[in-house]
Amino acid sequence: GAVVSQHPSWVICKSGTSVKIECRSLDFQATTMFWYRQFPKQSLMLMATSNEGSKATYEQGVEKDKFLINHASLTLSTLTVTSAHPEDSSFYICSAQTSGRAGSYEQYFGPGTRLTVT
Amino acid sequence: DAKTTQPPSMDCAEGRAANLPCNHSTISGNEYVYWYRQIHSQGPQYIIHGLKNNETNEMASLIITEDRKSSTLILPHATLRDTAVYYCIVRVRGSNYKLTFGKGTLLTVNP
Repeated sequence: GAVVSQHPSWVICKSGTSVKIECRSLDFQATTMFWYRQFPKQSLMLMATSNEGSKATYEQGVEKDKFLINHASLTLSTLTVTSAHPEDSSFYICSAQTSGRAGSYEQYFGPGTRLTVT
Repeated sequence: DAKTTQPPSMDCAEGRAANLPCNHSTISGNEYVYWYRQIHSQGPQYIIHGLKNNETNEMASLIITEDRKSSTLILPHATLRDTAVYYCIVRVRGSNYKLTFGKGTLLTVNP
């Protein structure tokens, strides 16, 4: 149980284009999902917290107009990197949080999406 | 969330127990200790968590000191596939409470 998927697993795009990354909780409903970014040899950095049906909460220093987050259903959140530039190249990872009704608020992570902007 | 301190790297022989320490001296009474690991180029994997009692599951054991200022993750019989970065995180358990990742410990299991 508690499986989270991401699509695509890797993507290469040209500078100036937009890229959408999907995060799905496959066997549970997630009212809250989180988006992280990880640069080479560094730890995960939280970008934003996404709640179903409401606007995402972004961490300090993360541009909300550049990283658009949509959490339209209890099993799907999307991250769109708009007008991508080479410095946006990174490993993007989502996590989905189980509901308190299940007795816990645990986060389970997706496998990550490798974005390369040329 | 309280900050944790972990050694940057450790080595372990295959088949032996791996004991990964974590210091969380400023932990609050309502904060849990969580352990995740990240194998290269993959998303983090949940291992175990605890509040004050020792915990064991199919992957590992978690030993928390009585004063809760430190803990040890034990992999009883390490395999090559256990080579990963291990993160110790303290966190309040509830909705919207973030996981703040430090630098973790790179555990290398050697044949």
